[in-house]
Amino acid sequence: RKEVEQDPGPFNVPEGATVAFNCTYSNSASQSFFWYRQDCRKEPKLLMSVYSSGNEDGRFTAQLNRASQYISLLIRDSKLSDSATYLCVVNPQGSSASKIIFGSGTRLSIRP
Amino acid sequence: DADVTQTPRNRITKTGKRIMLECSQTKGHDRMYWYRQDPGLGLRLIYYSFDVKDINKGEISDGYSVSRQAQAKFSLSLESAIPNQTALYFCATSETTYNEQFFGPGTRLTVL
Repeated sequence: RKEVEQDPGPFNVPEGATVAFNCTYSNSASQSFFWYRQDCRKEPKLLMSVYSSGNEDGRFTAQLNRASQYISLLIRDSKLSDSATYLCVVNPQGSSASKIIFGSGTRLSIRP
Repeated sequence: DADVTQTPRNRITKTGKRIMLECSQTKGHDRMYWYRQDPGLGLRLIYYSFDVKDINKGEISDGYSVSRQAQAKFSLSLESAIPNQTALYFCATSETTYNEQFFGPGTRLTVL
């Protein structure tokens, strides 16, 4: 099992739809979690951190399920500009940077 | 001006050539990282540095070396480039290991 796994997609949804995808992780000691957004041929940029209590930023909601070891990202009222690849990042507590794991990403395509 | 810059942005070189990729940052962060990204494999850590005197190997350091010339500068070298080092290379910085990473725009390297 990979340390961090994401469904590569692509998820192809109409504008205005709600879409959700998960990221599973294998290290139960993992403590820090993030979602990054990466546009084609561009650098990754932080979308949001994922807190134990879950967090919401506008149309985006991130949640953590420690029991099942996954994080999720929900996008409501999707826009054409949401088309991108979404990377999850997992960082075990007390580790060196060598343990930071980036998922390979989930591609999302929003159609008009 | 961008907080993290990389030069060159694109480079085509031949097998066996030595090449250096440079990264500069104005964020004042001590932590700097070099990643490579290959299709379907996500970001993989090559080297990271916590300060000028602290340099560490990442997941895939073989064939690469780095130099931290100053807090703001972190260079990646390929001593003798080979075709399977063709990839997109990103430099990143962070305030701590558990915080958001800020990425440079990337260098697209092709080794013929």
